Amino acid sequence: NAGVMQNPRHLVRRRGQEARLRCSPMKGHSHVYWYRQLPEEGLKFMVYLQKENIIDESGMPKERFSAEFPKEGPSILRIQQVVRGDSAAYFCASSPRTGREKLFFGSGTQLSVL
Amino acid sequence: GENVEQHPSTLSVQEGDSAVIKCTYSDSASNYFPWYKQELGKRPQLIIDIRSNVGEKKDQRIAVTLNKTAKHFSLHITETQPEDSAVYFCAASTPSGNQFYFGTGTSLTVIP
Repeated sequence: NAGVMQNPRHLVRRRGQEARLRCSPMKGHSHVYWYRQLPEEGLKFMVYLQKENIIDESGMPKERFSAEFPKEGPSILRIQQVVRGDSAAYFCASSPRTGREKLFFGSGTQLSVL
Repeated sequence: GENVEQHPSTLSVQEGDSAVIKCTYSDSASNYFPWYKQELGKRPQLIIDIRSNVGEKKDQRIAVTLNKTAKHFSLHITETQPEDSAVYFCAASTPSGNQFYFGTGTSLTVIP
């Protein structure tokens, strides 16, 4: 089992560009969570998805941010028109069942906005 | 929603001593409390968890205690070693499981 795979590990974007972060959950997992982490801060919940459904996006900014988890393929966190404040580590985690199972984290994507 | 507070934010101990990290939560419906260890530049990894029907759980040098009445839970690391140095996060989850609410982390340094 390869674990939760995130790519790219590092992503550099200029202000105004788009950032696309990918997450492939562990085999057999159908629940994906995205978290954002700023230096020396905790993990801030952004969005929780199941296959083809957004279950809870209460932690995600209403503008510029979107997430999807299609029937086939990885989950995508998309940030449009990036700003310097978007620079952070973005972690994806997967779980086989809602809330009752352990979260397994990916290695994260470090987004740097120039 | 749930609010998880974690203390202290930094902790330094001598090798061989014990370390204790404490968390409180606000939602009495929360029933699952995992602890994650994050080494510098790496992913958070689950080290121990406890469910609300249990008061204490131990795994070698690591133990977690839960007080449902007071709504707090603690991580205890005994006989600390330099490789225990990392940031530790507590979390709480409700039965709906839509979110895992994380504390702000404790940076533990074990001094050889």
